[in-house]
Amino acid sequence: GAGVSQTPSNKVTEKGKYVELRCDPISGHTALYWYRQSLGQGPEFLIYFQGTGAADDSGLPNDRFFAVRPEGSVSTLKIQRTERGDSAVYLCASSLYAIARPGETEAFFGQGTRLTVV
Amino acid sequence: AQRVTQPEKLLSVFKGAPVELKCNYSYSGSPELFWYVQYSRQRLQLLLRHISRESIKGFTADLNKGETSFHLKKPFAQEEDSAMYYCALHLSSGSARQLTFGSGTQLTVLP
Repeated sequence: GAGVSQTPSNKVTEKGKYVELRCDPISGHTALYWYRQSLGQGPEFLIYFQGTGAADDSGLPNDRFFAVRPEGSVSTLKIQRTERGDSAVYLCASSLYAIARPGETEAFFGQGTRLTVV
Repeated sequence: AQRVTQPEKLLSVFKGAPVELKCNYSYSGSPELFWYVQYSRQRLQLLLRHISRESIKGFTADLNKGETSFHLKKPFAQEEDSAMYYCALHLSSGSARQLTFGSGTQLTVLP
């Protein structure tokens, strides 16, 4: 595709339910990032994949959050036992390589999935 | 821990006026700073990065290590500049690769 694609664009779920959010990165991009953006805030880092492995998951808030990227392209962010505080826009980004040096590569963001927990 | 502060949530200027969006950071390492922009109903996109010393759409930003600032400036604002602007600091250490964003400034350019 032309850009990073995220599905669904909107998701409403009940408190306590399980949700999956999908990210299709730009073809050939090896690095993939998940961010969460709460109302009135900037994006907050969750997890970074280099290929199939999670190289940095230090931003995941707790063990209810998990992400996978089994074949090194599509990634799924999984949230168990959702809480109202999980309501936010979840952003995915990809880059050709990991941003190792300034100016080497650029991260491209998707449109995000707006998750609402009621 | 790294931190990015954008003190103004909202900023309004008239078309043709100069504009400056403030960004301050705290980071113990050598900073790598970016400005991202999000136009209405569009996705977040990179505007410029300090290492490139470039001017994009008339915007420039200079890294001032003494003042730990990376303010975004444009001498003559245009209506199409109205958008949400985020300053971001890149962390690259070991296996970590992440951007720390400020809370953003909503710029409105009035006709």
